[in-house]
Amino acid sequence: KNQVEQSPQSLIILEGKNCTLQCNYTVSPFSNLRWYKQDTGRGPVSLTIMTFSENTKSNGRYTATLDADTKQSSLHITASQLSDSASYICVVTPNTGNQFYFGTGTSLTVIP
Amino acid sequence: NAGVTQTPKFRILKIGQSMTLQCTQDMNHNYMYWYRQDPGMGLKLIYYSVGAGITDKGEVPNGYNVSRSTTEDFPLRLELAAPSQTSVYFCASRPGFPSTDTQYFGPGTRLTVL
Repeated sequence: KNQVEQSPQSLIILEGKNCTLQCNYTVSPFSNLRWYKQDTGRGPVSLTIMTFSENTKSNGRYTATLDADTKQSSLHITASQLSDSASYICVVTPNTGNQFYFGTGTSLTVIP
Repeated sequence: NAGVTQTPKFRILKIGQSMTLQCTQDMNHNYMYWYRQDPGMGLKLIYYSVGAGITDKGEVPNGYNVSRSTTEDFPLRLELAAPSQTSVYFCASRPGFPSTDTQYFGPGTRLTVL
């Protein structure tokens, strides 16, 4: 069964600290993996996308990594800011069909 | 360029009532999607469309209907609302090519069925 699991479910960190969010998936055959940021009360917004051949992608203070062999991805946030408080969602796209598989997200809270 | 717009933002329905959630995109995207997001859960696909006149069921289509008469609009119809349909509904669109294109999401409609 195609699944996407994220950990931790929630995380609280101090402003300025780094953190890493995890995503494990069983989706096969694999096409690409996206990380989205969803602010409270808003729709998700794309942060990064990685295909099978890419193992790292950066977007400012956000760096995503992908290990297609172990089917794991991580999102590293550097020097966190209060505006990073949001839910971060991992989305995996298979090679076939029009389905996207969404993780349940990690809720990140950055406190001063 | 407004992107993906959804109306209404909030709605309260009584059990058995019907309503239509509106979704419009101005990016000339071929693909459009409707998702629901329940608390603590990932987005679940209700229906999607790959172009005007073409729609298909997603993971959780029961209790909903859609139509796609134009490229821009993709309304979601709820017939005989039930408390289980209380959720936040997101509409999304994407060009459809290449396969690495991004979905753009609307701001969501928060629906409560009492």
